[in-house]
Amino acid sequence: DQQVKQNSPSLSVQEGRISILNCDYTNSMFDYFLWYKKYPAEGPTFLISISSIKDKNEDGRFTVFLNKSAKHLSLHIVPSQPGDSAVYFCAASGGNTGKLIFGQGTTLQVKP
Amino acid sequence: DTEVTQTPKHLVMGMTNKKSLKCEQHMGHRAMYWYKQKAKKPPELMFVYSYEKLSINESVPSRFSPECPNSSLLNLHLHALQPEDSALYLCASSQDQGSDYGYTFGSGTRLTVV
Repeated sequence: DQQVKQNSPSLSVQEGRISILNCDYTNSMFDYFLWYKKYPAEGPTFLISISSIKDKNEDGRFTVFLNKSAKHLSLHIVPSQPGDSAVYFCAASGGNTGKLIFGQGTTLQVKP
Repeated sequence: DTEVTQTPKHLVMGMTNKKSLKCEQHMGHRAMYWYKQKAKKPPELMFVYSYEKLSINESVPSRFSPECPNSSLLNLHLHALQPEDSALYLCASSQDQGSDYGYTFGSGTRLTVV
């Protein structure tokens, strides 16, 4: 049973436009959500996070939105840059386990 | 120092070999993690150490043996692995074990079992 789902395996966006990556979860016990960016042969790099007590968190070009009733979160990147091309993982955590449950990832390609 | 360092970056081992993966951080983090990532799959948790004690073992086969010699080091000892154990092994750390602490990942060790 996949508790964190990223239903779009890939996304292609023109440079300067908005990239929207989506993530759905099923476990209502999750209270902390993170987005990671991963290049091939490297570990995931933390991008941005959001606690379940908030519905929006912004950091520069990156904004994460959380809709708890829909169990849905999204990552907005504005404006998109070619260097943003990578695999983006959504991850969720609950309680004090420290365990992250990752989605399958979405490959973002930003075209010049 | 804000990094998690993993060595070696690449490892090829036979099914009868014994090898170890090493992870090191000097951020004062008290929780450390091992994740396994197969090709085109998300990372999956294997072990969690909190204050140098094993906190979570996600039913990992005994051919994988974690060790936390001190608060900065985390090892993963490998013995009698199978080809299907070939994967990227990621180490991570966080200030403490829990949802609200940021996680820092290392670049991983790419393991191939032949």
